[in-house]
Order: sequence, then C-alpha cells, then structure tokens
Amino acid sequence: RKEVEQDPGPFNVPEGATVAFNCTYSNSASQSFFWYRQDCRKEPKLLMSVYSSGNEDGRFTAQLNRASQYISLLIRDSKLSDSATYLCVVNKAGKLIFGQGTELSVKP
Amino acid sequence: SAVISQKPSRDICQRGTSLTIQCQVDSQVTMMFWYRQQPGQSLTLIATANQGSEATYESGFVIDKFPISRPNLTFSTLTVSNMSPEDSSIYLCSVLSGDTTNYGYTFGSGTRLTVV
Repeated sequence: RKEVEQDPGPFNVPEGATVAFNCTYSNSASQSFFWYRQDCRKEPKLLMSVYSSGNEDGRFTAQLNRASQYISLLIRDSKLSDSATYLCVVNKAGKLIFGQGTELSVKP
Repeated sequence: SAVISQKPSRDICQRGTSLTIQCQVDSQVTMMFWYRQQPGQSLTLIATANQGSEATYESGFVIDKFPISRPNLTFSTLTVSNMSPEDSSIYLCSVLSGDTTNYGYTFGSGTRLTVV
C-alpha cells in the first residue's frame, strides 16, 4: 500500500462545477499536510496547507481528518485555469511524501 | 517564499556520462531536498542535503550514483553519474520557506533530463 493515495482521476468537469479530491495517508505520525498543484511540464506549486480545523482560500477548501487519516480538497466554481494535476502531500519527519496526483480537466 | 534558480532547465545526455544540476536559493536555508519525477509519476525524494555534513539518501538512492554537494546555505548541486536511459526524469530541488503561519516547500523549476 502506498503511503499517500489519491483518487486516480482524471476528473473532467464543466466550468462552474464543484469538484472534490480525496486523499488518504497511512502513517499516523505524519505531521503536516499540503495540496500542491502541478501544471504540465512545470514544478509543483503550493496551493494550500491543510489544518485540522479546515481552511478555506477563496474557491478552495481543504479538510483534514486525523482520526481517519483522510485529506480532502474542494474546488468550487471551477475555472478553465484550474486544469492541472493536484498532488496530496504529507510531511513525515521533515520529508515530503507525494501522492500520485489527480488530474483535473475543466472544459468550457 | 524563497525563490530558487535551477539549471540547466533541460539536457540531452549520452549514456555513461554525468550531469550536474545546480540550485541557488535567494535566502539561507538549513536543508535542501532533491527529488526525481519519472515520466507519468509523482515526485520521489532522492536525498536531503545539509550544509556541512553528508547528504542523507533515501532507500534506493546511493551517493555514488547521485553525489550531492552543499557548500553553503544557499547552494547545492546534484550529479547524476554514469547515466543510463532509466535516469531520464525531471529532477527538482526544494526548500522549506515561509513563516510560521504560512509555510510550504518551494521547488525549483526542474531539470528535464533525457539520456540517449
């Protein structure tokens, strides 16, 4: 079993749709959690950190459930520019463990 | 957040040769990380580079194949030695940056390596 597992995707959604990504991690000692975005042929860029209380940044909402070892990302009112691969990332003892990524394609 | 300059951005190399990748950070950082992203895959940590000590390698990666230098707190190099086509990947460096309330890992723009 992989340490960080994500929905396999790809997700193909129309503009304006709401889309949710799920992620589970296997190591309960994991310390911090992130969602990164990676555009084709580019480096990953931090989208948002994920806190136990949940956090929101505009159209993006991240949730963490430590008991279930589950992380989610909700994107509301999808834009064409949201098309990318979304990476669930877990910090374990200072090392980042990446999920395999979920590809999102937003269509007009 | 920190700004990382990574070079080269891409290279095509002959098998059996070596390539050295450089990362320059605009601020002093304790640890720098080197990742590999194979085609269609996610990122895998190769090693952690600390200034003044030997790099710490992850399982499956060895110093002879991926020697790392960290001469100061703003610079590191990764060498891919005795390359084979299986080494064709994107290589990225990364540092932790930001303040206590908003931090994350910043990545260099990556080096796209093709070994022929």
